Amino acid sequence: GQQVMQIPQYQHVQEGEDFTTYCNSSTTLSNIQWYKQRPGGHPVFLIQLVKSGEVKKQKRLTFQFGEAKKNSSLHITATQTTDVGTYFCAGRGGSYIPTFGRGTSLIVHP
Amino acid sequence: EPEVTQTPSHQVTQMGQEVILRCVPISNHLYFYWYRQILGQKVEFLVSFYNNEISEKSEIFDDQFSVERPDGSNFTLKIRSTKLEDSAMYFCASIQGYNEQFFGPGTRLTVL
Repeated sequence: GQQVMQIPQYQHVQEGEDFTTYCNSSTTLSNIQWYKQRPGGHPVFLIQLVKSGEVKKQKRLTFQFGEAKKNSSLHITATQTTDVGTYFCAGRGGSYIPTFGRGTSLIVHP
Repeated sequence: EPEVTQTPSHQVTQMGQEVILRCVPISNHLYFYWYRQILGQKVEFLVSFYNNEISEKSEIFDDQFSVERPDGSNFTLKIRSTKLEDSAMYFCASIQGYNEQFFGPGTRLTVL
């Protein structure tokens, strides 16, 4: 079955440093979504990428979808304490069911 | 802004007991999902529901689990005989089309 690997599992940064999390799928994806989950909260949708090589930006967040549509990344520039949380990717193959990665927990030290 | 709601927020039960977790999806959404998240782990798909029937389910969703949409608004997950390993956060989500999923706040299930 489809597997989505996400690394790293944890990332500690000083406030102002950059952060990147990576997702790799065992199969080609039709799209990939990114979610953020604050501690004690529920996943909140950030963005969906559909096209090969697609790059989308949301303020300090940059999302990329690989050319082969099997990998994706989320990059945060100049992290802030409000960025703390776990970032999940969720890849879809041919069905409506997304497969979630394990998540990367971002810890920002002030 | 419309949101998915879930009740209860926390459910404590004895092993072997039945529990029903309730969700009210966003009203014009068509697809409904249940996920679980064991503490500190990833979000795991359980089941999807469309047009009043299960459309897909995972290996986790065995005969102990069932889902219903009894009255056109509520969407329930029943666990017939809970086990210790069922302790987790259970999230309901709904979606209108092939886009973002809206997650509810979750129900924390603790099986003693």
